[in-house]
Amino acid sequence: GAGVSQSPRYKVAKRGQDVALRCDPISGHVSLFWYQQALGQGPEFLTYFQNEAQLDKSGLPSDRFFAERPEGSVSTLKIQRTQQEDSAVYLCASSPKSGGLNEQYFGPGTRLTVT
Amino acid sequence: AQKITQTQPGMFVQEKEAVTLDCTYDTSDPSYGLFWYKQPSSGEMIFLIYQGSYDQQNATEGRYSLNFQKARKSANLVISASQLGDSAMYFCAMREGRVEYGNKLVFGAGTILRVKS
Repeated sequence: GAGVSQSPRYKVAKRGQDVALRCDPISGHVSLFWYQQALGQGPEFLTYFQNEAQLDKSGLPSDRFFAERPEGSVSTLKIQRTQQEDSAVYLCASSPKSGGLNEQYFGPGTRLTVT
Repeated sequence: AQKITQTQPGMFVQEKEAVTLDCTYDTSDPSYGLFWYKQPSSGEMIFLIYQGSYDQQNATEGRYSLNFQKARKSANLVISASQLGDSAMYFCAMREGRVEYGNKLVFGAGTILRVKS
């Protein structure tokens, strides 16, 4: 079956531009997560949705970052007025429920480069 | 304090031999889960194995096993019979707390494993 997909896979933005990154989770998965992975480091949590509700956005680094999941499926991570420090791989993950093992299935990521 | 510590930035192992990747964690929550993920150069994160804090036995999944020492707060990954395809970055991660608070993962810095032929 289809896994988590993300688009675009690569994005180059000039500093100050706005970008939108899309995540299509596995169908029926309740939970959706966004992580940011800087080069050579482990992923860091950004935000978490349970269905359409954003239950945790404690990891968003600034108010330039905004995420939504309006219908409880596809999610978009938006970064306004991009800065060079935003350059990273943005990973989306989904899981089928909010309890139990709750293994997270990751997408391939979007590599954002801000020039 | 770091919640997840992986002290080995890089490891080499000979093909067909076993290798242990270290992971220590820090939490005061009695309920938590520990995960290992593999990230090849292509970038995807591949789930390998899971250990719950209340699990009595060490987790095993094929060639992967988790050496869980709760008192020492360590959760080392053991890969047996290494294969060239095991060359990748390996991340240890923890989910802590009650599940209704969310299930975000906290990752370590990773260990790069290189398998030599």
